[in-house]
Amino acid sequence: LAKTTQPISMDSYEGQEVNITCSHNNIATNDYITWYQQFPSQGPRFIIQGYKTKVTNEVASLFIPADRKSSTLSLPRVSLSDTAVYYCLVGLGGSQGNLIFGKGTKLSVKP
Amino acid sequence: GAVVSQHPSRVICKSGTSVKIECRSLDFQATTMFWYRQFPKQSLMLMATSNEGSKATYEQGVEKDKFLINHASLTLSTLTVTSAHPEDSSFYICSARSAGTGDYNEQFFGPGTRLTVL
Repeated sequence: LAKTTQPISMDSYEGQEVNITCSHNNIATNDYITWYQQFPSQGPRFIIQGYKTKVTNEVASLFIPADRKSSTLSLPRVSLSDTAVYYCLVGLGGSQGNLIFGKGTKLSVKP
Repeated sequence: GAVVSQHPSRVICKSGTSVKIECRSLDFQATTMFWYRQFPKQSLMLMATSNEGSKATYEQGVEKDKFLINHASLTLSTLTVTSAHPEDSSFYICSARSAGTGDYNEQFFGPGTRLTVL
């Protein structure tokens, strides 16, 4: 499974756009990229998943360059409630594979 | 989205006792369930993968005789921590992957169980 590297922590202010980049240099051809959010003492919550180019949903956007060796999670106009740990994972799609968590990025949103 | 529950949410037990944690997929059938452990300020560590009706596959370094996993139905997996010790105190999280998943490997996570061994 591809290893991921993310910044340990990031600080932001309310209303700003936050971009968290993840490196996954040895991503395999059939790997997908998934981002999860975790609040203290809670299970991770799915944010977004993609394979290539750009994916957008109601909470975030995911940008994946052509070589897929990195990805960027974009959170528009963050609020205090977005303070959490964000995990980038890469793994196989379909019925194979499992998810291995890296260290994650602790995002702190300040007023 | 799909819902996964865990019971209990918190448990405190004495050293040497066994504790059972349940993980249920409430509105979908889960052919595969995963158990993770998370220590304070650390990431989730995968402990084992369980497929319905078969033996669990444990990650390296996880004692299968200490952490008993049973996945007897498509909606229920249990993790039993046998002869618990204080170092087993942790946050245990399960996740479930639905049957018939297409291209995506989406997993749905439970809320976690906080185990404290005195």
